[in-house]
Amino acid sequence: DQQVKQNSPSLSVQEGRISILNCDYTNSMFDYFLWYKKYPAEGPTFLISISSIKDKNEDGRFTVFLNKSAKHLSLHIVPSQPGDSAVYFCAAIYGGSQGNLIFGKGTKLSVKP
Amino acid sequence: DADVTQTPRNRITKTGKRIMLECSQTKGHDRMYWYRQDPGLGLRLIYYSFDVKDINKGEISDGYSVSRQAQAKFSLSLESAIPNQTALYFCATSDERVTYGYTFGSGTRLTVV
Repeated sequence: DQQVKQNSPSLSVQEGRISILNCDYTNSMFDYFLWYKKYPAEGPTFLISISSIKDKNEDGRFTVFLNKSAKHLSLHIVPSQPGDSAVYFCAAIYGGSQGNLIFGKGTKLSVKP
Repeated sequence: DADVTQTPRNRITKTGKRIMLECSQTKGHDRMYWYRQDPGLGLRLIYYSFDVKDINKGEISDGYSVSRQAQAKFSLSLESAIPNQTALYFCATSDERVTYGYTFGSGTRLTVV
């Protein structure tokens, strides 16, 4: 049973517009959520995270929103740039420092010039 | 030099052969992980180690074994490779502050023919 779900395999956005990547989860015990970005031929790189006690975290062009009641989080990229084209993985962890990351299947974002 | 180095980057091997994938890190992290990525399946945890004397099975450990030779080295072995182990393998490290994210290597693309 998949605990972290990214239901959109791909997303295409025009440069300068907003990209919204969505993630749903089933385990209410998750206490931290993270987004990773992956370019071809490279390993995933950490992008942004949010604690379950918050509903928003911003870092430059990237904002993550968490809706605990809906068990849903989203990553907003504003404005989108062609260099943002990559696969984005949502991940979650429970058990604090003793836990492990559980990843979604990823969403491939294409930002067109 | 990369913080997390995986060797080899690419490998083709025959069914039934034993193969070892190696990972070394300069982050000074205690925790190391092996993940597997398959198209449409995201990243799945194979094994993890919180310190040199600690080895734990992940979600998909069958057919794999690991060895933590030192704090900086964590190797993954396929004792008798089979075609459905064809995948992209990633090593990752973290300290106890897992909420700061993992550092991933660039991956090993393994093909079993």
